[in-house]
Amino acid sequence: GALVYQYPRRTICKSGTSMRMECQAVGFQATSVAWYRQSPQKTFELIALSTVNSAIKYEQNFTQEKFPISHPNLSFSSMTVLNAYLEDRGLYLCGARDRESAETLYFGSGTRLTVL
Amino acid sequence: QQKVQQSPESLIVPEGGMASLNCTSSDRNVDYFWWYRQHSGKSPKMLMSIFSNGEKEEGRFTVHLNKASLHTSLHIRDSQPSDSALYLCAASNMGYKLTFGTGTSLLVDP
Repeated sequence: GALVYQYPRRTICKSGTSMRMECQAVGFQATSVAWYRQSPQKTFELIALSTVNSAIKYEQNFTQEKFPISHPNLSFSSMTVLNAYLEDRGLYLCGARDRESAETLYFGSGTRLTVL
Repeated sequence: QQKVQQSPESLIVPEGGMASLNCTSSDRNVDYFWWYRQHSGKSPKMLMSIFSNGEKEEGRFTVHLNKASLHTSLHIRDSQPSDSALYLCAASNMGYKLTFGTGTSLLVDP
């Protein structure tokens, strides 16, 4: 079956420091990977969408300078939260799309970020 | 402004009852809807997707879509306590970008 492994599951960082999270697609080829942040109020925000052979598209209020993303192949993607502050806390989710079943977005287990 | 609106915000149904959740998109370009379920502390898991007018049934779950009104609904019959979760509706328009609603929190009362 198709799975997305995301790690770390939880991380705590000091204000002003950075942390990196990674996603690994298993059992399918992830032609696109979307990174979301779910706030404590449960709202989902799309941070950016990365599609193989295309430029990474960042949503309004999110920038490459703050959330650099790497998507080097069809099974791996990573995102870094640079210079994290309190407003960056939340659950970060990667969602990968299967090229064969384009309608299905598989989510990783999420990385919960706490900023002290 | 939230482009995907879900209602109700929260819902309590008795065990064995029917739960009905609603979702409407204000983006006329959407053509695909998804329903995800997220248990507390977990990541969302896809329940069903729909892109054609009409109804789609999988087990106890039925999804309706009215493309003219961009409204979809999820119905859970014979609700179980394990169905208690946050239900998220998402919509997309031809691409890979999903826009999520804020969810309906369902509690099935045993």
